[in-house]
Amino acid sequence: RKEVEQDPGPFNVPEGATVAFNCTYSNSASQSFFWYRQDCRKEPKLLMSVYSSGNEDGRFTAQLNRASQYISLLIRDSKLSDSATYLCVVSSYNTDKLIFGTGTRLQVFP
Amino acid sequence: NAGVTQTPKFRVLKTGQSMTLLCAQDMNHEYMYWYRQDPGMGLRLIHYSVGEGTTAKGEVPDGYNVSRLKKQNFLLGLESAAPSQTSVYFCASSYPRDNTGELFFGEGSRLTVL
Repeated sequence: RKEVEQDPGPFNVPEGATVAFNCTYSNSASQSFFWYRQDCRKEPKLLMSVYSSGNEDGRFTAQLNRASQYISLLIRDSKLSDSATYLCVVSSYNTDKLIFGTGTRLQVFP
Repeated sequence: NAGVTQTPKFRVLKTGQSMTLLCAQDMNHEYMYWYRQDPGMGLRLIHYSVGEGTTAKGEVPDGYNVSRLKKQNFLLGLESAAPSQTSVYFCASSYPRDNTGELFFGEGSRLTVL
């Protein structure tokens, strides 16, 4: 079983839609969680960290469910510019290595 | 401020040839990483370094060597390239893991081994 699993998609949604991605992780010792965004043929960039209490950044909301070992990313009012691959990333306590999921591709159409 | 710079951006090698990828960062980061990204596999850590003069193996280190002689540079070497090493290679750097955990990536190096 992969340490971090994501539905590869693609998720095809119209502009203005709300879309949600889930990501599951296998290591219960995982302590830090992040969502990265990767545009086609570009490098990944940090989108947001995921805190235990959940957090919001504009149209983006991230949540963590430790009991079920998954994190989620909700995007409201989707824009064409949101089209990208979203990578779920986790790390274990006191390690310097981040484990990346394979990513979920989002395509927003007009 | 260039951030993280990788050279070369593209390279085609024949099986058995050797090459070195150079990563340079100007953010004074302590930690540097080399990842490879393949379709359906996600980013996999090859080697990493937590400071000048130190290196450690990641998830897929076989066939690669690294060196961190200067804090700002992290070199990835392929001694005898194989077709299985065809991939996109990303270098990244970060502060120690007591903050946001943000990795700053270079633009990637696309390597094809024939």
